[in-house]
Amino acid sequence: LAKTTQPISMDSYEGQEVNITCSHNNIATNDYITWYQQFPSQGPRFIIQGYKTKVTNEVASLFIPADRKSSTLSLPRVSLSDTAVYYCLAGGTGRRALTFGSGTRLQVQP
Amino acid sequence: GAGVSQSPRYKVAKRGQDVALRCDPISGHVSLFWYQQALGQGPEFLTYFQNEAQLDKSGLPSDRFFAERPEGSVSTLKIQRTQQEDSAVYLCASSRDPRLAGLGTDTQYFGPGTRLTVL
Repeated sequence: LAKTTQPISMDSYEGQEVNITCSHNNIATNDYITWYQQFPSQGPRFIIQGYKTKVTNEVASLFIPADRKSSTLSLPRVSLSDTAVYYCLAGGTGRRALTFGSGTRLQVQP
Repeated sequence: GAGVSQSPRYKVAKRGQDVALRCDPISGHVSLFWYQQALGQGPEFLTYFQNEAQLDKSGLPSDRFFAERPEGSVSTLKIQRTQQEDSAVYLCASSRDPRLAGLGTDTQYFGPGTRLTVL
């Protein structure tokens, strides 16, 4: 399984850009990188997915360097409601796609 | 449309009791996943169905855990002779495309989970 490593926690203030980096040194050729967000008492929610370079959607951007051994989730102008746990997954087929790790707890302060 | 629903939302069991947790996936979603999430940890994969076929049950922690999806829609996770270490949130997720499920390219939609407390 593609093991991922993320910071345990991060703090930010409203309006700032937050970048959460995930390392996945043993990522395989067919693996994709997926980020989920989880609020207390809720199931995880898909944020963004990518394979290489940059992906952007309405809520976040995902930067993946050429060697794909890491990725960075970028949240522009965070608000208090972005306080959550963020999980990085790196996987391909079957169970390789489904390993969540411990996640990064983001706390946004006013 | 309706999302993934799970019932009950909370369950308290005495050690040794059997419990059954239900998951209603999004209509039309072929793939269904069960996860176990301990306090302060990320979700841990338990098992995966494509329609009624259980394709991967490698994450089930013991033979006390059993999951089924007999008609390819609703799924039940059963835990026999519950132990205190079974206390956790049990999450269910479904996804749409069977060709992509498990390939890291298909979005999983999660339910709110069932919080199981074993006394």
